[in-house]
Amino acid sequence: DADVTQTPRNRITKTGKRIMLECSQTKGHDRMYWYRQDPGLGLRLIYYSFDVKDINKGEISDGYSVSRQAQAKFSLSLESAIPNQTALYFCATSDSVKVADTQYFGPGTRLTVL
Amino acid sequence: AQSVTQLGSHVSVSEGALVLLRCNYSSSVPPYLFWYVQYPNQGLQLLLKYTSAATLVKGINGFEAEFKKSETSFHLTKPSAHMSDAAEYFCAVTDSGGYQKVTFGTGTKLQVIP
Repeated sequence: DADVTQTPRNRITKTGKRIMLECSQTKGHDRMYWYRQDPGLGLRLIYYSFDVKDINKGEISDGYSVSRQAQAKFSLSLESAIPNQTALYFCATSDSVKVADTQYFGPGTRLTVL
Repeated sequence: AQSVTQLGSHVSVSEGALVLLRCNYSSSVPPYLFWYVQYPNQGLQLLLKYTSAATLVKGINGFEAEFKKSETSFHLTKPSAHMSDAAEYFCAVTDSGGYQKVTFGTGTKLQVIP
């Protein structure tokens, strides 16, 4: 089984709809991240959480919110989806105990907002 | 503030030829540097990382990178390209202060021509 899972893998929605992307991990890591990937722009950080009670905005948090329900679960919500939120979204985890720890990525969620 | 610049959004090489993907970084403190690879329809996975030990870092699949402080560079190389190396490659930087918020470059797509 994959260590970092994301659901759904693909989603098509309409402008104005609320949508939630979910991420679960079995690696036991305390740190979790949400990124979006757009062609030519690389990965940009939306939100990150260093533990259940510590949630921080990344560089592009407007229009998004997150919830860290447990150490293993980190959800990303789009309160009112708009077309320029069409992108590939990745969840990632890392371990704060290790210096310069690797980030472990989920398989991604492809979101299309019509 | 930290950043990375990847020169060339697309690179094409012939099978068996040298692969060279360029990355320059900017960081106000000693950096940790990473190369990640993304195969089609997958999440990112770590190729190699520099954490201030040896300046020449060897990674998986025959890739290596050399940290050059004087040139603020961390270029990725592989002596002989294989068809399976076709993917998108991302350089990334984090600071050595333990904060571990990673900044990714915009990516370089590697095409391997038979």
